[in-house]
Parts: sequence; structure tokens; C-alpha cells
Amino acid sequence: EPEVTQTPSHQVTQMGQEVILRCVPISNHLYFYWYRQILGQKVEFLVSFYNNEISEKSEIFDDQFSVERPDGSNFTLKIRSTKLEDSAMYFCASSFQGQSTDTQYFGPGTRLTVL
Amino acid sequence: DQQVKQNSPSLSVQEGRISILNCDYTNSMFDYFLWYKKYPAEGPTFLISISSIKDKNEDGRFTVFLNKSAKHLSLHIVPSQPGDSAVYFCAASEPFAGTASKLTFGTGTRLQVTL
Repeated sequence: EPEVTQTPSHQVTQMGQEVILRCVPISNHLYFYWYRQILGQKVEFLVSFYNNEISEKSEIFDDQFSVERPDGSNFTLKIRSTKLEDSAMYFCASSFQGQSTDTQYFGPGTRLTVL
Repeated sequence: DQQVKQNSPSLSVQEGRISILNCDYTNSMFDYFLWYKKYPAEGPTFLISISSIKDKNEDGRFTVFLNKSAKHLSLHIVPSQPGDSAVYFCAASEPFAGTASKLTFGTGTRLQVTL
């Protein structure tokens, strides 16, 4: 069964460093998303992406964040200068269509720890 | 801004009995509702969904009920099995004028199925 994959599973970084989280969405999906979950809190939407453009971004997704689809299979989230409060689980998701009635499928997540 | 609420942080049910997980929402624009199951250190796994034009959707042991007038949905698991022990997230989406609809999640309910 096709699945979303993410690497690395765990990333530890120093405050102020840049990190890149990688995702391989399901191959025939066209819409891509990043969500995050801070420990003990709910899963929060960060950004959606379609046709090499950001479709929507939340207020969390400030200038320190960027997304890219560098090739036909990968989808990346870059945090330019990490802060302590960026420590969270980051989930990538994909869907075939972007409609509200289309199911999003999630990857296993990357645990980001900022020291 | 809690548009999706799961008021029970935890639930314990005996094996073989029914588990009922509840979710309330405030945004009347939501038109699609999903339940995700999450094990520790894994991403949310899609379980079942329901469109706002329906009031019930069933898939094997899982049934989701939607009461639009009360802005309430529930997930029924019958019979409950020990492997169902996980955190269950309610999520909702609304039509988006852009190209991709985001999910809004509840805080989750931890279900423990005991022997």
C-alpha cells in the first residue's frame, strides 16, 4: 500500500541552525502539506502546496519557514534559523486532490529537537 | 481558537464492549470530517470519514455519526479490541477558495482497551 515517508525520524539541532525535513508523498498525489504537533498539544496546520506554489499558510509559517519540491518525488520543509519553540513532531501529508472532501494521508513524522 | 474539540482526553473500555469517542465543532463551514488513529512515534493513520451531507458512515467495526444541528460527531468502535488502544483525533476541513483545504484537528482522546 502506498505511503508517505519522512526522513530523518529524529533531528537534533542547535538553536539558530538551519534544518531541512524531507518527505516523499504518495506518488500520484498532487497536494502536499506540513503539520506539526508540539508535545501535549494538537496537530496544527503549517502550509499546503500545489503546483510548485504555496496554497495556504498559517500564521506559524513565518519567514523562517520555506517549502520546496526540488524534484518529482521529494517535498521539503526548511527552517532557516531554528528556535527552541520549533521543537515538535513535524508531519508531512499528501492528497490526490485538494478539495475539502479529499482524504489526507500522513507520514510517520520527524521529531525535531532544538537545543 | 478551538474550532474542533474533543472534551475527553482519555477513555478506558473493556475488550468486546463499545467505545464511543466524541467530537464537537464550532465552524459551520466544515463539510468533511475525519477520524485519525495515532500510535506513539507514528503519524496519524486515516480511519474513517464522513461528508456533511450524510449522518452516518460505517466501515467494519467503525461507525461515524454526524449531527449537524448539534455540531457533534462521534466514532463508535464495536467490538473494541486491545489493538484499538491509541490516540484518536477528530479532524475537519472546509472548502477553500484556494487549491488545497487544510485540516483542523481536535486535541485527541486516548483510548485504552483493557482485557
